[in-house]
Amino acid sequence: AQTVTQSQPEMSVQEAETVTLSCTYDTSENNYYLFWYKQPPSRQMILVIRQEAYKQQNATENRFSVNFQKAAKSFSLKISDSQLGDTAMYFCAFMKHGGATNKLIFGTGTLLAVQP
Amino acid sequence: NAGVTQTPKFRVLKTGQSMTLLCAQDMNHEYMYWYRQDPGMGLRLIHYSVGEGTTAKGEVPDGYNVSRLKKQNFLLGLESAAPSQTSVYFCASRPTSGGALGTQYFGPGTRLTVL
Repeated sequence: AQTVTQSQPEMSVQEAETVTLSCTYDTSENNYYLFWYKQPPSRQMILVIRQEAYKQQNATENRFSVNFQKAAKSFSLKISDSQLGDTAMYFCAFMKHGGATNKLIFGTGTLLAVQP
Repeated sequence: NAGVTQTPKFRVLKTGQSMTLLCAQDMNHEYMYWYRQDPGMGLRLIHYSVGEGTTAKGEVPDGYNVSRLKKQNFLLGLESAAPSQTSVYFCASRPTSGGALGTQYFGPGTRLTVL
């Protein structure tokens, strides 16, 4: 069975600085997706970034980028130039490639606080 | 384009009461999912659907039923609510083609309290 581990329950960063959130996962699959979702106090789950395992290039979305290490089964999220609006719970998630029966497996989340 | 919407946003029930949560999506997605979110546990899959008229159990299905009579709607029912069902419920949908393949899009959630 697949598992996703986020070992940092809480993190804090100063506004405008860079922070990295860690995520590791366990799977025997070769083809899969990895995601980072953001959940602000409004509790809406917002997709931050998506990575397909067969792509070696790390995904980037504006200030957000990932460091995907497939052999190490590591998928960290880097937030550059942190903003107050980045304060949220961040969830790492895994899903096997393929049909609808493949479900999202979530980590337990990292609560990020951006300090002014 | 509203994406994924959920009704209601909040609800308080007494033990033993029943209710239905409605999820609607306007993105023409085939796959739909219901999750619950409890403190410290992330999201867990309750039930899912791969298309109109089909449903299947997730990892925590007990005490819940679902129906997908129309492609755009996915209903989650609690026949006899229990305090253990106090949670935040999220609906999500997923496309089966295109550049966002594999990505699930979430609704705003429903906070349910069972007294």
